[in-house]
Amino acid sequence: DTEVTQTPKHLVMGMTNKKSLKCEQHMGHRAMYWYKQKAKKPPELMFVYSYEKLSINESVPSRFSPECPNSSLLNLHLHALQPEDSALYLCASSQEAGPGTDTQYFGPGTRLTVL
Amino acid sequence: EDKVVQSPLSLVVHEGDTVTLNCSYEVTNFRSLLWYKQEKKAPTFLFMLTSSGIEKKSGRLSSILDKKELFSILNITATQTGDSAVYLCAVGGGSNYKLTFGKGTLLTVNP
Repeated sequence: DTEVTQTPKHLVMGMTNKKSLKCEQHMGHRAMYWYKQKAKKPPELMFVYSYEKLSINESVPSRFSPECPNSSLLNLHLHALQPEDSALYLCASSQEAGPGTDTQYFGPGTRLTVL
Repeated sequence: EDKVVQSPLSLVVHEGDTVTLNCSYEVTNFRSLLWYKQEKKAPTFLFMLTSSGIEKKSGRLSSILDKKELFSILNITATQTGDSAVYLCAVGGGSNYKLTFGKGTLLTVNP
């Protein structure tokens, strides 16, 4: 089973709202990732969690706040977003974050629209 | 700065054609090269390549890596309309656990 699940599938929010994106995997993977993908562009890495600790933050604005409550779950808390933050948000996981274990399995994504 | 370049950026073929997609890279401390297929939603994993000259095959798809010349190709034989998608190449390397993605090749297979 190589399934990563994400909820919700679609989200529309105003600039003053607070919402959260959720990601779950039950493959025993110890590395989890958040990506942002705009139309016709490749995914852009936002955050990497390794063994439930944040290991990479790609200079993401503080209005995006990741959280890893346990090894199977990854959340992305959203607050005071801008319309340009509208995108497909992808979660991925890999066995570990290191050599030989690079294969990342992606969830279906959350399509976010900020009004 | 790490760089992954895919070519062509888009390609239109007829069912039954064979296509070759290219991926070249400049990445420090190369670890692996991955190919993904992306239709409307998330990228789905196709291949991971770590060694030069060893072809990986899955049905009509195959891929090979040349670490000396720093490139990989993805071949699709007897294309079908269901092969229409964006094919992404990503390279793992550097001192962190980041994948650097190319811009993708948009493949359209017409009946």
